[in-house]
Amino acid sequence: AQSVTQLDSQVPVFEEAPVELRCNYSSSVSVYLFWYVQYPNQGLQLLLKYLSGSTLVKGINGFEAEFNKSQTSFHLRKPSVHISDTAEYFCAVSGSGGYQKVTFGTGTKLQVIP
Amino acid sequence: GAVVSQHPSWVICKSGTSVKIECRSLDFQATTMFWYRQFPKQSLMLMATSNEGSKATYEQGVEKDKFLINHASLTLSTLTVTSAHPEDSSFYICSAFTGSGSPLHFGNGTRLTVT
Repeated sequence: AQSVTQLDSQVPVFEEAPVELRCNYSSSVSVYLFWYVQYPNQGLQLLLKYLSGSTLVKGINGFEAEFNKSQTSFHLRKPSVHISDTAEYFCAVSGSGGYQKVTFGTGTKLQVIP
Repeated sequence: GAVVSQHPSWVICKSGTSVKIECRSLDFQATTMFWYRQFPKQSLMLMATSNEGSKATYEQGVEKDKFLINHASLTLSTLTVTSAHPEDSSFYICSAFTGSGSPLHFGNGTRLTVT
């Protein structure tokens, strides 16, 4: 079994400031990790994913995340946020190899303040 | 690539009626599709896994007679909410799986309101 914890339900941040959205996971097997963004009344869009290799993963819209196996974390960061980044962000984990069920965190609402 | 189209984007129906939601993979074949339900300000709850040509696999607590899933082809899965009640009002999202290590590709969701 695996689980994902997003401790921050809401993160307010001023425009052009940096932001970090936290994600911790637990799993007994090797994992794939994902961050998705959801805008109001829309489906989820992939921001980035970690499968293997470099632990620093760069995604779309200037976001990046770092996989830390020892801390079982996959925090999402952006050095300078824009108003358009206001959305809900979901961290997700699946087992690696073949199809594995994807488990989502409870989401973090990023509110960018002008 | 890997576009998933979900229709309708929103629907309002009367209690007791049935509603069908379609999920299509536009530029790839999806042997496996997933249906999620999302309550306001909450995460996604997996309802069922839809496999082309076979019966769907439902998650514990999901009524398969109420939420009928059909995956008739490699590009189309449908979710029918039968005898809808106000408590079925929710945001339903489909997604498709394209292979190991691939992320899920999501439709834009369907907002169902049962009056």
